[in-house]
Amino acid sequence: SQQGEEDPQALSIQEGENATMNCSYKTSINNLQWYRQNSGRGLVHLILIRSNEREKHSGRLRVTLDTSKKSSSLLITASRAADTASYFCAPGASASKIIFGSGTRLSIRP
Amino acid sequence: DAGVIQSPRHEVTEMGQEVTLRCKPISGHNSLFWYRQTMMRGLELLIYFNNNVPIDDSGMPEDRFSAKMPNASFSTLKIQPSEPRDSAVYFCASSYGSVNEKLFFGSGTQLSVL
Repeated sequence: SQQGEEDPQALSIQEGENATMNCSYKTSINNLQWYRQNSGRGLVHLILIRSNEREKHSGRLRVTLDTSKKSSSLLITASRAADTASYFCAPGASASKIIFGSGTRLSIRP
Repeated sequence: DAGVIQSPRHEVTEMGQEVTLRCKPISGHNSLFWYRQTMMRGLELLIYFNNNVPIDDSGMPEDRFSAKMPNASFSTLKIQPSEPRDSAVYFCASSYGSVNEKLFFGSGTQLSVL
């Protein structure tokens, strides 16, 4: 199993701006997932990208995956106050359990 | 489907008492996970089950912690005796398919041990 490392640890932007978070990992993966956690809540799955995919979209979310660099990014466009949350990446290797890192705390300023 | 259901939502107990946390996974899911979250240690995977069988309990902190999954629709995490350092939010999650597929989390149990 392996843990993703999110960067930055914290990010504060103005509402309407785009937010970009990055994730790095160490070994080969089958997929990589992104999750969101609002304060006091459980994690919510946002998107899963497989190792043979380079980019995936879901609404205002765009995820990229670069397996050669062992990194992924999550872009949230036109941010809203409701996007304020912690975001976690979860690299998934074959038959390997999901371990979460410390996440990126995103704050959207009105 | 109602999602992953955890109970109780909040638990306050005194040191030395037994605590039992409960989880009902999403129907049809074959993997179940117990996580613990604190400010200091973040999200830690305690144990996970596949088809009701414990696969990896290496994250269980010590013998005071035990988990069971008697059937596909129910799991418990027990702490006996509880200690103040066990205070945390405990999450249950379930998934279908391989161990690293999409996880569905419950709302968690906020445990405070006084």
